[in-house]
Amino acid sequence: ETGVTQSPTHLIKTRGQQVTLRCSSQSGHNTVSWYQQALGQGPQFIFQYYREEENGRGNFPPRFSGLQFPNYSSELNVNALELDDSALYLCASSQSPGSEYNEQFFGPGTRLTVL
Amino acid sequence: AQSVTQLGSHVSVSEGALVLLRCNYSSSVPPYLFWYVQYPNQGLQLLLKYTTGATLVKGINGFEAEFKKSETSFHLTKPSAHMSDAAEYFCAVSAQTGGFKTIFGAGTRLFVKA
Repeated sequence: ETGVTQSPTHLIKTRGQQVTLRCSSQSGHNTVSWYQQALGQGPQFIFQYYREEENGRGNFPPRFSGLQFPNYSSELNVNALELDDSALYLCASSQSPGSEYNEQFFGPGTRLTVL
Repeated sequence: AQSVTQLGSHVSVSEGALVLLRCNYSSSVPPYLFWYVQYPNQGLQLLLKYTTGATLVKGINGFEAEFKKSETSFHLTKPSAHMSDAAEYFCAVSAQTGGFKTIFGAGTRLFVKA
């Protein structure tokens, strides 16, 4: 069974650019959540996708957007990058959203640096 | 709304000593509570979770946590620290209110001294 994978592992961009991060969910999982983890802080919920539809969103501006594909893999897109977007971006997959039996399995993350 | 407060950004213990990492939560509805561990350059791994039922929850690697509703706490303990326990630990809360959203605390870095 393959776990959650993310690509790329590291990325360097400049202010104003756009970036796409990718996540492959664990086999059998239909839900993907994205988190931003700034240095020295806990992960902050960006949004969740369930069966290709957005299923909840945290306090992030619209320039953070996402997609989920029929195979349940997902992308996180960030437009007009700002210095404060520098962080570790974590993807987590689960069998379903909102169940008390739900467990999120996290990928290793993508480290984004904005210069 | 839910929130999590982890008391102490850094905790240092000697190998073999008791580990106690503190977590207090706020939730307007019955919460689900989690502890995750993060090793350097890795994602988060679930240690244990409380959903309903028994308030003392046992997890992996000898860790356990007790849900105390009256104190709104969910402290993580381990009787005897091992060098391999050195990592960042995150307490998290979620609740089924309009979707599934997990709120994490700021984390506690555990140092284990030989």
